[in-house]
Amino acid sequence: EAGVTQFPSHSVIEKGQTVTLRCDPISGHDNLYWYRRVMGKEIKFLLHFVKESKQDESGMPNNRFLAERTGGTYSTLKVQPAELEDSGVYFCASSQDCAGFATLQDQPQHFGDGTRLSIL
Amino acid sequence: AQSVTQLDSQVPVFEEAPVELRCNYSSSVSVYLFWYVQYPNQGLQLLLKYLSGSTLVKGINGFEAEFNKSQTSFHLRKPSVHISDTAEYFCAVRYFTNFGNEKLTFGTGTRLTIIP
Repeated sequence: EAGVTQFPSHSVIEKGQTVTLRCDPISGHDNLYWYRRVMGKEIKFLLHFVKESKQDESGMPNNRFLAERTGGTYSTLKVQPAELEDSGVYFCASSQDCAGFATLQDQPQHFGDGTRLSIL
Repeated sequence: AQSVTQLDSQVPVFEEAPVELRCNYSSSVSVYLFWYVQYPNQGLQLLLKYLSGSTLVKGINGFEAEFNKSQTSFHLRKPSVHISDTAEYFCAVRYFTNFGNEKLTFGTGTRLTIIP
């Protein structure tokens, strides 16, 4: 079974440019999450998709960040325009959906290798 | 609000020695706890998880962790480490906001370095 894949693995862009990160979840996983780790700090939640719907986007830092999951398969995270403080590692994770709340807890989140974003 | 504290940012340990990586959490509701590991140039891999039941949970690569509700801790241990255990370790709490809304809150990570 293929794991969560993220592309690109590393991106270097100049301040003011646009960058799009892509995440392909594990096949059949309805839940898709984006996280970010700024250097030296904790990994922070950005948002959560269930299929194509944004379930929770409370962690998105500002309106320069746009996440989409058209068709409920892969997801993209676009940063436009990029600022210096956007540098960090962006992780994507996915998990299976469950029929009921009681069993949701049993489904761990599986992470990709991350995209290292460097803004110059 | 939930938070996770990993007190040690770096832990050097001699090969074949025991190790304990500390994790404390704060939460006003039931918690589900996880340890993830990130090997060099790789993504996050689930090491072990505590959902309910026995407070001692065993994970991959010989690691185990003990959930202590009274001390709000979930320390990770291994009796004898190997060079291959060199990695960064993250403690995380799974937080359910309401039905269908859930996310992980992570600690800042502990970088474990094994000394030959």
